This record gives sequence, C-alpha cells and structure tokens, in this order.
Amino acid sequence: QQQVKQSPQSLIVQKGGISIINCAYENTAFDYFPWYQQFPGKGPALLIAIRPDVSEKKEGRFTISFNKSAKQFSLHIMDSQPGDSATYFCAASKDGGSQGNLIFGKGTKLSVKP
Amino acid sequence: KAGVTQTPRYLIKTRGQQVTLSCSPISGHRSVSWYQQTPGQGLQFLFEYFSETQRNKGNFPGRFSGRQFSNSRSEMNVSTLELGDSALYLCASSGGRSGTDTQYFGPGTRLTVL
Repeated sequence: QQQVKQSPQSLIVQKGGISIINCAYENTAFDYFPWYQQFPGKGPALLIAIRPDVSEKKEGRFTISFNKSAKQFSLHIMDSQPGDSATYFCAASKDGGSQGNLIFGKGTKLSVKP
Repeated sequence: KAGVTQTPRYLIKTRGQQVTLSCSPISGHRSVSWYQQTPGQGLQFLFEYFSETQRNKGNFPGRFSGRQFSNSRSEMNVSTLELGDSALYLCASSGGRSGTDTQYFGPGTRLTVL
C-alpha cells in the first residue's frame, strides 16, 4: 500500500522555467510534509517542509503548496537552474513525538536543460 | 558540525552471509533512523532509535535488526542476506529534546549481495 503517491516520475524543464512536482497522501493523520533533494551518490537533503496549518510556504525559489481537503501537496521550483537537476522526494509522517518514520514518495527525476 | 557519517560506504557480500552497517549521528542528535533505498521500492523506513530504544519500526522481516549505543551511534544488522537486500542503506539523525527536529541523512552504505 503506497501511502504517498508522487508524480511525475521524471520531468524535463528548460532553464528559467517552473518545475512542478505533485504528491498525494492517504493517511489523514499525517501532519508533517517535507521535500527532499537527492544528488547521485549523496543522501537526501531536506529542501523545505510544511505542516497542514498553512496552505503555502516559500523559501527562495522553492514553494510548497498544500491542499488539506484534497490531501495533496506540491513543490514548485521557480526559475529552474541546471544545478537543480536531481531527484526530488516528497514525504509524510505523523508527528507523534517522532519524525523518524517518514513515508516517502517514489521520487521525481528532474532535468533542467540549459 | 560534522554531518552524519556511515561506514563502510560500499560492501559486497554473498547470499546467506550477515552484515553490520554503522552510523554516527550529528553530535548532540539522539534520534537515528534507518532507511533502505532501491530503484523499485524507493525509500523505505526500517526503524528508528532514540536514547538507545527502538521507537518506531517499519515493515521489514526480523532479519533486519538494529541497536543504538549510549553515544547515539547506531548499527544495523542484516542476517542471512538475500539478493533482494542489495540496496543503498541510509541513516538519518535528528536533534531536539525528543529527537523530532529535521532529519539529516548520511551518504549511505551501498550493499551488493551476490
């Protein structure tokens, strides 16, 4: 049972364009939604995270949009750059005193063409 | 501050053997989580330790076990290795009083089972 569904699997964007990655979750008990960025040969690194009490969070060129009623959240990368080429994972967890149990989406491989 | 370190970085084992992987968390972090990453299944949660106690456990067979020491360093053991255990094993540590702050991932241990 896949609790977090991520799409698309891969994405090609031109430099300067907007990259959009979507995730949907099933468990309404989830209350922490991070996005991770992973480069080849490296572990995932936290990019930005949101809790369901806000509908949007922006950090630099990265924005999370959250729709609690639809149980969906998305990552928008504005002015995409070749250096953003990586695999992006959405995740969710229940913050019952622990964030150790992150449920990840399958990942989106982003390629930004110069 | 030094990041999460994992040793060894690469391992080759044969079916039926056992293996022990090590993780040193960021100084001061008391929560350590382990994940398995494969191309087919993506990132899957194995277990989390906080203050030497297993706090959360994923859906993996009993061949996968772990422990945490008083200095927060953690080890993961896989017994009776199977071909399907070939994966990147990631360790993540979290700080905060309850170990619920952001998870920081190490570079992983690449395990190949022949």
